Amino acid sequence: EPEVTQTPSHQVTQMGQEVILRCVPISNHLYFYWYRQILGQKVEFLVSFYNNEISEKSEIFDDQFSVERPDGSNFTLKIRSTKLEDSAMYFCASSERGYGGVGQPQHFGDGTRLSIL
Amino acid sequence: QKEVEQNSGPLSVPEGAIASLNCTYSDRVSQSFFWYRQYSGKSPELIMSIYSNGDKEDGRFTAQLNKASQYVSLLIRDSQPSDSATYLCAVKGSGYSTLTFGKGTMLLVSP
Repeated sequence: EPEVTQTPSHQVTQMGQEVILRCVPISNHLYFYWYRQILGQKVEFLVSFYNNEISEKSEIFDDQFSVERPDGSNFTLKIRSTKLEDSAMYFCASSERGYGGVGQPQHFGDGTRLSIL
Repeated sequence: QKEVEQNSGPLSVPEGAIASLNCTYSDRVSQSFFWYRQYSGKSPELIMSIYSNGDKEDGRFTAQLNKASQYVSLLIRDSQPSDSATYLCAVKGSGYSTLTFGKGTMLLVSP
């Protein structure tokens, strides 16, 4: 069964450094998402991406964050000048469609655990 | 502010029993509802999706939706210890592509 793959599984970074989290969505999916989950808290939406541009973003997704689809398969989340509070599990997800009255299910990758020291 | 509320639990049931998990949501125009299972330290895994009022069954799982009451539930029949996990309710509003998650209900199934 096709799946969303994320790398690395664990990233440890010094505060103030930049990190890039990588994702390969399911091949026939058109909508891509990043979510994060701080330990013990709920899954929070960061950004959605369609047709090579951001379609929605939350208030968490400020100028520190950016997303990119550098080629036909990868989808990346860049966090500039990381802060301690960026420590969380970051999940990439994808779906066949996004908008419309009936939403397609989103399938999640295994996540990247980001630890900021 | 769209909210999705779940009882955090833990909900403890014996093996073989029916587990009932509940979720309420605030955005009245929400149209798509999902249940995900999340084992500790792992990613959310899609269990069920439901879009219309009523029941939807898939194996041991039944999702129930009542849009008038803004309520969605998940029943797990013949609960197994391997069902022990946190169950996340997620809601997608009309015109949005994103999911709003509840905090999840921890289910513990004892042998």
